[in-house]
Amino acid sequence: NAGVTQTPKFQVLKTGQSMTLQCAQDMNHNSMYWYRQDPGMGLRLIYYSASEGTTDKGEVPNGYNVSRLNKREFSLRLESAAPSQTSVYFCASLLDRGTDTQYFGPGTRLTVL
Amino acid sequence: GDSVTQMEGPVTLSEEAFLTINCTYTATGYPSLFWYVQYPGEGLQLLLKATKADDKGSNKGFEATYRKETTSFHLEKGSVQVSDSAVYFCALSESGGTSYGKLTFGQGTILTVHP
Repeated sequence: NAGVTQTPKFQVLKTGQSMTLQCAQDMNHNSMYWYRQDPGMGLRLIYYSASEGTTDKGEVPNGYNVSRLNKREFSLRLESAAPSQTSVYFCASLLDRGTDTQYFGPGTRLTVL
Repeated sequence: GDSVTQMEGPVTLSEEAFLTINCTYTATGYPSLFWYVQYPGEGLQLLLKATKADDKGSNKGFEATYRKETTSFHLEKGSVQVSDSAVYFCALSESGGTSYGKLTFGQGTILTVHP
């Protein structure tokens, strides 16, 4: 039981390049989330998926797109990376609203030059 | 909108000292409150939570009480260890409605404990 996994762990991009961050969970959770972590700002929600087949914007969605590929997988895409997207990205999952507790992946550290 | 404010850090303590990290929140409904911990190089782990007023969450010697009257959820530990060195995040989640469990985080407090 791996929990929430993320790939890659580290990535360096040049401005304008694109990439997809992958996230998968094996806990049969319904909801999944993408956050970014910046120094002094805590974690901010980028996008979330309340259930398979649905996605919604969070607090800071600009410059990102997401795909809920199936119940297990939730990917985050940067179409044209910018230096302002340099951050640590965390994926999380939640069984359902009644349980409250989100489980987090280990994170992806992204640098955009 | 919802918000969480944590005390400014970083916090540096000697082993066996008493720890308090302050957290206050603003929410429109009746949120659940959480403390998450992030050890160096790792993701976030749930440390404790409380789902209604006057509830006390506790785990690994850490405690926090949900105070609705002061909109606070301060984290305390009576005797810290070097292994407690980490970043601590206070967070809230609105229950029900269309919140879908979304978390709102404070900015995080870096704790360093010296031997």
